[in-house]
This record gives sequence, structure tokens and C-alpha cells, in this order.
Amino acid sequence: EPEVTQTPSHQVTQMGQEVILRCVPISNHLYFYWYRQILGQKVEFLVSFYNNEISEKSEIFDDQFSVERPDGSNFTLKIRSTKLEDSAMYFCASSRVPPSYNSPLHFGNGTRLTVT
Amino acid sequence: EDQVTQSPEALRLQEGESSSLNCSYTVSGLRGLFWYRQDPGKGPEFLFTLYSAGEEKEKERLKATLTKKESFLHITAPKPEDSATYLCAVQGVRGSNYKLTFGKGTLLTVNP
Repeated sequence: EPEVTQTPSHQVTQMGQEVILRCVPISNHLYFYWYRQILGQKVEFLVSFYNNEISEKSEIFDDQFSVERPDGSNFTLKIRSTKLEDSAMYFCASSRVPPSYNSPLHFGNGTRLTVT
Repeated sequence: EDQVTQSPEALRLQEGESSSLNCSYTVSGLRGLFWYRQDPGKGPEFLFTLYSAGEEKEKERLKATLTKKESFLHITAPKPEDSATYLCAVQGVRGSNYKLTFGKGTLLTVNP
């Protein structure tokens, strides 16, 4: 069964450094998402992306964050200057159509980001 | 703003001991309610989508039901491999077409 893959599985970085988290969505999916889960907290929405542009973003997704689909298969999340509070598990997800059409999101196994 | 509350936070069962997990939600019109399973260190794995009150979906030992205010995930004769965190998420009619709002989940442990 096709799956969403994320790399790396664990990233350790120093405060103020830039990180790029990478994802390969399911190949026939058109909608892409980033969610994050701080330890012990809810899974929370960051951003959705369709047709090479952001379709929606949350208040968490400030100017420090950016997303890109640099080629036909990868989808990336960049954090420009990491803060301690950015430490979390970051999940990439994809879907054929938006969840408003009751299409489930398929999640990757996440990248655990640790900012020291 | 959409809200999801799951209870209990944690549930410990003996193998074969059936039980139910609860997901209460507040949305301005429900488009869909989603159940996911999450194993430690993994991403959420899709289980069910429910669209309207009265709907039921089944998969192996799991059955999800939906009312206008809550959803239940019934687990019949659970096995240790059913141990996981079960997440509920909703999408409302008003507001985002793209965002799912998740609850904190119920951590289920099934002892052999």
C-alpha cells in the first residue's frame, strides 16, 4: 500500500539554525499538509498546500515557516530560525481531495525535531 | 472554533474485555469525523470516516458510531495488538476546507 515517507526520522539542531524537513507524499495525491505534535499535546494543523501554493495556514505558521514542492515528488517544511518551542514531532500528510470532501488524510511517521 | 474532547485519557483492559472510547465534538455543522490509530513514534493511521448521525463503520474488532454530539469507538474482545492511542478528528462545515481538529486521544493498553 502506498505511504507517505518522511526524512529524517530525528533531527537535532541548535536554536537559531535553519532546518528542512522532507516528505514524499503518496504519488497520486494532490493535497499536502504539515501537522505537528508537541509531546503530550494534540496533533495540530500547520499548513495545507495545493497546486504549488498555500491553501490555508494556522496562526502557528508564522514567517519563520515556509513550505515548498521543489519537484514532482518532494514536499518540504523549512523553519528559518528554530526556537526551543519548535521542538515537536512534525507530520506530513497527503490526500487525493480536501478533507471537506470527506477524504482521509494519510500521514507519514513523522520527524522528531529537537531544538537545543 | 471546532473542539474535540476525548475520554478517557487512558484505558487499561484485559484481553477480551470489551469497552468504548468517547469523542465529544463541537462544530458549526459536521462535515466529517475521522478516527485514527497512533502507535508510539508513528504517524496517525486512518481507521474510519463518519459523515452523519446514525452512521456506523466496522473493521475487525472496532466499530465506530456517530451521534449529533459524539462518536464512540467500540472495541470488542480486544487483543494486545490493539494497544495504541486512538485519535478523533473533525472537520466542520463553516471554516476551513483543509484543517482537521484533533482531540488529545485515548491511550488504550490491552494486557494479555
